[in-house]
Amino acid sequence: QVQLQESGPGLVKPSQTLSLTCTVSGGSISSGSYYWSWIRQPAGKGLEWIGRIYTSGSTNYNPSLKSRVTISVDTSKNQFSLKLSSVTAADTAVYYCARYSGSYGDWGQGTLVTVSS
Amino acid sequence: DIQMTQSPSSLSASVGDRVTITCQASQDISNYLNWYQQKPGKAPKLLIYDASNLETGVPSRFSGSGSGTDFTFTISSLQPEDIATYYCQQYDNLPPTFGQGTKLEIK
Repeated sequence: QVQLQESGPGLVKPSQTLSLTCTVSGGSISSGSYYWSWIRQPAGKGLEWIGRIYTSGSTNYNPSLKSRVTISVDTSKNQFSLKLSSVTAADTAVYYCARYSGSYGDWGQGTLVTVSS
Repeated sequence: DIQMTQSPSSLSASVGDRVTITCQASQDISNYLNWYQQKPGKAPKLLIYDASNLETGVPSRFSGSGSGTDFTFTISSLQPEDIATYYCQQYDNLPPTFGQGTKLEIK
């Protein structure tokens, strides 16, 4: 059973770049036909898809965030990463990484990122 | 983006009750719909995929149906551990979008 774990700073200053990493264990990030995804959830609100990266390295981003988002993969470390630039308080949320193959069957536990000076 | 509208937004029911949640898509999404359960402080958990298929290990009291634009999620006999927020999610078009959630409480 694959496991995912988010890591990164819990506090980011406004206008700076949010950087998170998802470490995958129990399976190779390069194997199978999976999209490795980022999803976020502001406190008390619903789920927002941020974007995804395929094992080949191709990416798709939510148009609402596309100008600020970069998702990359490091197969040697079995990790994929999220960078979100020019953050504001509206980017404060729990950020989840997840594995997708028609559905999000595997999720990390989530990590709270607060944007504040 | 495809808009997913769930109803009701919240629901109070008794143990043993049959509970139904609906999800309507803003356009035809065939059966490209999933249902998730989220408990406080936890990541969402996949319950139903492709509108009506039960994920492995999920109790059979959970079920889903529908296609096109109208979908239904049912708990046949509500259990105390089912208290959670439930989300539908479409994957017909990018970006994948979620319903706003239905918060289920015990009466």
